[in-house]
Amino acid sequence: AQSVAQPEDQVNVAEGNPLTVKCTYSVSGNPYLFWYVQYPNRGLQFLLKYITGDNLVKGSYGFEAEFNKSQTSFHLKKPSALVSDSALYFCAVRDIDDYKLSFGAGTTVTVRA
Amino acid sequence: GAGVSQSPSNKVTEKGKDVELRCDPISGHTALYWYRQSLGQGLEFLIYFQGNSAPDKSGLPSDRFSAERTGGSVSTLTIQRTQQEDSAVYLCASSADGTYGYTFGSGTRLTVV
Repeated sequence: AQSVAQPEDQVNVAEGNPLTVKCTYSVSGNPYLFWYVQYPNRGLQFLLKYITGDNLVKGSYGFEAEFNKSQTSFHLKKPSALVSDSALYFCAVRDIDDYKLSFGAGTTVTVRA
Repeated sequence: GAGVSQSPSNKVTEKGKDVELRCDPISGHTALYWYRQSLGQGLEFLIYFQGNSAPDKSGLPSDRFSAERTGGSVSTLTIQRTQQEDSAVYLCASSADGTYGYTFGSGTRLTVV
């Protein structure tokens, strides 16, 4: 079985400050990890993924995430948040031997000017 | 096409009526997924198609839900005798081979009144 936990329903930061959205996962084997963003009334947009290799993954719009196997975490980060980053963020995981993506409940990010 | 196309974008239906939701995946993508996003919830896996293999229907919530994929391309999700709890955004995604990540459509917002 596989699962994802996003412990924070909401994250609020001021523009220009660092942004972190937390994600922990559980899989029986090795994970593929993903972050998606959803803007109001829109579908999910891919941000970044970890498949293998460097633990620090860089993605779209200045976002990055660090894979930590010992802590089973894949936190999303951005050094300097923008108001336009305000959206709903989903972490997702799949076992390399499976094909289903399991999603977390989502974290609403609000960046205030 | 350039992306995953879903229609209609919005659907309001009366309780007890049947509805059909359509997904047109990216051309050449062999894997197709349906997810459901209820208000304040994460994404719930419904069904998965991979090429000509039998679909994985393990996520369908009841026998009122069914899906088919014709010619390995367009998919239709059918909900019979709709109930108010079926109100949600239904998201379709496709993938080149079922590995790595997925490209999502903008979804169909279903409201059962």
